[in-house]
Amino acid sequence: NAGVTQTPKFRVLKTGQSMTLLCAQDMNHEYMYWYRQDPGMGLRLIHYSVGEGTTAKGEVPDGYNVSRLKKQNFLLGLESAAPSQTSVYFCASVSYTEAFFGQGTRLTVV
Amino acid sequence: KNEVEQSPQNLTAQEGEFITINCSYSVGISALHWLQQHPGGGIVSLFMLSSGKKKHGRLIATINIQEKHSSLHITASHPRDSAVYICAMNTGNQFYFGTGTSLTVIP
Repeated sequence: NAGVTQTPKFRVLKTGQSMTLLCAQDMNHEYMYWYRQDPGMGLRLIHYSVGEGTTAKGEVPDGYNVSRLKKQNFLLGLESAAPSQTSVYFCASVSYTEAFFGQGTRLTVV
Repeated sequence: KNEVEQSPQNLTAQEGEFITINCSYSVGISALHWLQQHPGGGIVSLFMLSSGKKKHGRLIATINIQEKHSSLHITASHPRDSAVYICAMNTGNQFYFGTGTSLTVIP
């Protein structure tokens, strides 16, 4: 997945803790997305951004916040983690001709 | 209701078989993507289509805009093709994903 770096790859949080996931791309893409993937549910959109300084809610935004202060970085924040947020998180960076995904973050909230 | 419907959900094939995975969508799109995800792995974009047909090695993707339907074909399937294949439609601002087709190719 050249050009998209997602960090961290793994994390275990206690209920109520906070964390930030980073998605970084160096392809000058305008569109970036955060998804969660759960067994039997497929990929569900959390938040997305159509350009620097803009964000919008997706299908499952509750409990998450995002920021796109710089075009190359899209951050996903969990302010107070809950066990229901245990999932694998993927970011995507998209242009009109290509789409790249991060390697995923496996998050466990205990 | 999912805007993108994929079929079949699960598919088992013998090595060498020709495989078809189907995707139907319900709204106008700017592009449709076929993605591949290996177990425990990341997601890779195989094709991005806005019309017609694309071919890459043993993989062929087609799209019919009028019928809102796309297919992914794998010729001469191989065990290394075992993965989840996901159809995703791009409406311009958002991506909508199918729930994926889990393919297992048996030697």
